[in-house]
Amino acid sequence: DAGVTQSPTHLIKTRGQHVTLRCSPISGHKSVSWYQQVLGQGPQFIFQYYEKEERGRGNFPDRFSARQFPNYSSELNVNALLLGDSALYLCASSLAGRGISGNTIYFGEGSWLTVV
Amino acid sequence: GQQLNQSPQSMFIQEGEDVSMNCTSSSIFNTWLWYKQDPGEGPVLLIALYKAGELTSNGRLTAQFGITRKDSFLNISASIPSDVGIYFCAGTTNSGNTPLVFGKGTRLSVIA
Repeated sequence: DAGVTQSPTHLIKTRGQHVTLRCSPISGHKSVSWYQQVLGQGPQFIFQYYEKEERGRGNFPDRFSARQFPNYSSELNVNALLLGDSALYLCASSLAGRGISGNTIYFGEGSWLTVV
Repeated sequence: GQQLNQSPQSMFIQEGEDVSMNCTSSSIFNTWLWYKQDPGEGPVLLIALYKAGELTSNGRLTAQFGITRKDSFLNISASIPSDVGIYFCAGTTNSGNTPLVFGKGTRLSVIA
């Protein structure tokens, strides 16, 4: 079975532009989460989606948005890019969202975003 | 954002040595997870812990969920060159899995 797949793997954008990152979860997984990892730090939680609904949001500005589609894939959108948005954006999938214990979270390879 | 206290930040060890790293939190967690991340790749799950006191092994790796639910450690025995990478602990306070709170990572270097 394929793991969590993300696209694109690398991209370069200019300040002020918009970016869309895509994620397909592991087959059968209904929950997708997004994390931002800047160099030298651990990943920081951005969003969680379960059954197409937002179930959690981290401390990120409104320039960040996401959605989940009926096939459980997801998009992360970032508007008005800033230099500080340069990071590895990780998508993670799990079987279920909150209220279900004992599940584990698997990460994709990530999308490297460089803002110049 | 919130992060766990992970130590040490980096380690240089000889091949064959054992390694120990740990994570502490000011909050109680219901789940602890340990990941390894190689350069340019996403974190790969090594071990998942769901109960206080739980001790779980995965090959040469052993991890424990602290009794207080505020800490966890990861041990690697008989290290080999492919153990090189950054190891992250992650925890969640929810009965589900997310959001995960991560440590800053332990960078492991193995000298052959």
